[in-house]
Amino acid sequence: DIQMTQSPSTLSASVGDRVTITCRASQSINIWLAWYQQKPGKAPKVLIYKASNLQSGVPSRFSGSGSGTEFSLTISSLEPDDFATYYCQQYNGDSRTFGQGTKVEVK
Amino acid sequence: QITLKESGPTLVKPTQTLTLTCTFSGFSISTSGEGVGWIRQSPGKALEWLALIYWDDDKRYSASLRGSPTITKDASKNQVVLTLTNMDPVDTATYFCAHQSPYGFFDYWGQGTLVSVSS
Repeated sequence: DIQMTQSPSTLSASVGDRVTITCRASQSINIWLAWYQQKPGKAPKVLIYKASNLQSGVPSRFSGSGSGTEFSLTISSLEPDDFATYYCQQYNGDSRTFGQGTKVEVK
Repeated sequence: QITLKESGPTLVKPTQTLTLTCTFSGFSISTSGEGVGWIRQSPGKALEWLALIYWDDDKRYSASLRGSPTITKDASKNQVVLTLTNMDPVDTATYFCAHQSPYGFFDYWGQGTLVSVSS
């Protein structure tokens, strides 16, 4: 299976900060990558698909980039509602794999 | 509007078989391109993909799953069923079912159901 590695595991930030989370695949997944936001006790919510496409209804402060094995999720200006855990997920071929998550916490 | 909801036991004993049902609305699993997946999350841990079933009955499973997982669908009931055998305490988790978009990511999720494995 393709392995997905996120960094950092935890990110301390303040409202208004620009934050970037990275995700690395163990082999090329082209652009078949999604980003999810999850809050405690809730199901994940998709933010970005195909590496850089914003899901309908998601605020434009979220953006994604990358291809091949290196990807990133950027929040341009952190809002109070953005403190959560973020996961990347590859969907190249037959398998699906999630990263280990990045918790964005209040600094 | 697509909705999904998981149902099943909240407690199973070690070595028992777990059967979870995902009941959905807003799409037909018989329609070309449709798929439903199962994902679980152990307490405080990351999401783990388990299995996927497509409209044409094609099935995919995580290579890291122990035992003999089985995913099936019943289009007439709008249901997808996941069966996991030989359950172990490490399988204690919240189990989610999710609709797979035509691109391959999960765009709609159920609320999840917590399953504990304990004697």
